[in-house]
Amino acid sequence: KAGVTQTPRYLIKTRGQQVTLSCSPISGHRSVSWYQQTPGQGLQFLFEYFSETQRNKGNFPGRFSGRQFSNSRSEMNVSTLELGDSALYLCASSLTGRANYGYTFGSGTRLTVV
Amino acid sequence: DAKTTQPTSMDCAEGRAANLPCNHSTISGNEYVYWYRQIHSQGPQYIIHGLKNNETNEMASLIITEDRKSSTLILPHATLRDTAVYYCIVRVMYSGGGADGLTFGKGTHLIIQP
Repeated sequence: KAGVTQTPRYLIKTRGQQVTLSCSPISGHRSVSWYQQTPGQGLQFLFEYFSETQRNKGNFPGRFSGRQFSNSRSEMNVSTLELGDSALYLCASSLTGRANYGYTFGSGTRLTVV
Repeated sequence: DAKTTQPTSMDCAEGRAANLPCNHSTISGNEYVYWYRQIHSQGPQYIIHGLKNNETNEMASLIITEDRKSSTLILPHATLRDTAVYYCIVRVMYSGGGADGLTFGKGTHLIIQP
């Protein structure tokens, strides 16, 4: 079956702009989580959606937001981009979001802010 | 979630067993041990998880000590493609909704030598 699909793979934006990243989970998976990976901070949890509802959020400013659609596809948005937002953004899907099921990650979107 | 300690890096010869240790001395009774790995420029990949019994799947074996304060991930016959950063994660399995996401540490950079 198809894996987790993230688009686009690479993105270059200018400071102050906003960006929207997309994630299509594995068919049947209802939970989608987002992570930010930087060389300095490593992998950090952004937020998790289940059945179109945000269930949990990591320690990130309000400029980072997301949503999930009825078909479980998810988008995350970053407004007023800063240089420090340059990172690999990863999406992970799972059946329910419970830890007893493994999370399947996409290959990520590499965002560069200039 | 309990904190984990892993060596920063390890080497292993191709064809030999790679044994990756993880210390989680503050683990609680309801916390599971999960292992993920991240190959360069890809998203993390789920490997295996366990509570207190040893576990084995097609990828690896997980040995958890009787007091559950540490564990070892074993790749029985390491290949060059196993070169990656390996993350040991300890977390609860929630009975209800609300996935907090995975807390990734720095992991162990395993280098398989030809």
